[in-house]
Amino acid sequence: AQTVTQSQPEMSVQEAETVTLSCTYDTSESDYYLFWYKQPPSRQMILVIRQEAYKQQNATENRFSVNFQKAAKSFSLKISDSQLGDAAMYFCAYGGNSGYALNFGKGTSLLVTP
Amino acid sequence: DVKVTQSSRYLVKRTGEKVFLECVQDMDHENMFWYRQDPGLGLRLIYFSYDVKMKEKGDIPEGYSVSREKKERFSLILESASTNQTSMYLCASSSPTGGAKNIQYFGAGTRLSVL
Repeated sequence: AQTVTQSQPEMSVQEAETVTLSCTYDTSESDYYLFWYKQPPSRQMILVIRQEAYKQQNATENRFSVNFQKAAKSFSLKISDSQLGDAAMYFCAYGGNSGYALNFGKGTSLLVTP
Repeated sequence: DVKVTQSSRYLVKRTGEKVFLECVQDMDHENMFWYRQDPGLGLRLIYFSYDVKMKEKGDIPEGYSVSREKKERFSLILESASTNQTSMYLCASSSPTGGAKNIQYFGAGTRLSVL
């Protein structure tokens, strides 16, 4: 079974600064998908970014970017120019190529301070 | 935009009651999922369905059942609620094909308290 590990239960960043959230995963598959989801205090889980494993280029979405290291099985999320609205629980997730269920990490709680 | 709607934001039930959590999606997604979210444990998959009337057990199916009679609706059933089922329940849907393959879209969650 694929496991996803987020080693940082909590992180803190000052407004306008950059923060990196870590994620590692374990798999024997060569084709898969990786995701970062954000869950603000209002609880609606929303997609931040998706990476397809066969693509070498790191995915970016505005202030959010990933550092995908396939050989190391590492998938970190970088948030640039942090804003108060970025405060949330962030979950890393793995999806196999079958297109079914995702395996989620236990989450990292991000605090943004003024 | 994809919309996944869970029928209740908060529910309070008594031990032994039969509880129904309803979820409806409007994107014609084949896959639907029920997760349980507890602090420090992340999201754990209870059941998922990849087609009408089809279901697969997830990591923690004990004490739960599901029903999918229509493509857009996926119900989670607690046959006899117990206090250890007090939790946040999240429903999600996705498509197994296409440009949005594997992206799961979530409902707002149902906070269930069993007393």
